[in-house]
Amino acid sequence: AQKVTQTQTSISVVEKTTVTMDCVYETRDSSYFLFWYKQTASGEIVFLIRQDSYKKENATVGHYSLNFQKPKSSIGLIITATQIEDSAVYFCAMRATSSGQKLVFGQGTILKVYL
Amino acid sequence: NSKVIQTPRYLVKGQGQKAKMRCIPEKGHPVVFWYQQNKNNEFKFLINFQNQEVLQQIDMTEKRFSAECPSNSPCSLEIQSSEAGDSALYLCASSLPGVEQYFGPGTRLTVL
Repeated sequence: AQKVTQTQTSISVVEKTTVTMDCVYETRDSSYFLFWYKQTASGEIVFLIRQDSYKKENATVGHYSLNFQKPKSSIGLIITATQIEDSAVYFCAMRATSSGQKLVFGQGTILKVYL
Repeated sequence: NSKVIQTPRYLVKGQGQKAKMRCIPEKGHPVVFWYQQNKNNEFKFLINFQNQEVLQQIDMTEKRFSAECPSNSPCSLEIQSSEAGDSALYLCASSLPGVEQYFGPGTRLTVL
């Protein structure tokens, strides 16, 4: 069975700094996909970035980047130059090939960015 | 802003009542998913479709829950006899096959 774990319940950072959120996953599949989403205060869930397991390069989109450490089954999200608007709950998710197309989510990490 | 449309945004039902919610996937996305997010932010996959056909569903969905995605009509998720434990945010997502899913704003169901 697939499992995704986010151990950080909540993180608070000063605006314009860099924050890293941790995520570890479990799967026996050799092919899988990892995603990060954020859920805003209104409940809206926004796709941020994706990492395919067969790619060695860390994905980067805007001020989001990933730290993919395959041997450790770890996919950290790095947000640089944080803004107040980045305050949200961040979810790590995985889709394993053997599990079809459904996503398995972590517990979420609350990010609070303050002035 | 979400391109996946979900209605209604809020739904209040009494125990034993039917609860029905609808979803219009993003244009061009053949795969549609339903998830339940509880008050602890935990996600539970319910069912997914590709071009009107069910791909996967969990046991819970096979009993009190029913869902469909007819062609040229919104997809729907219906709970035949609502229970207090069904109170949650119901999220519809759509995607191209095998890639990231895009979520709608959700339908918040409260069962009194």
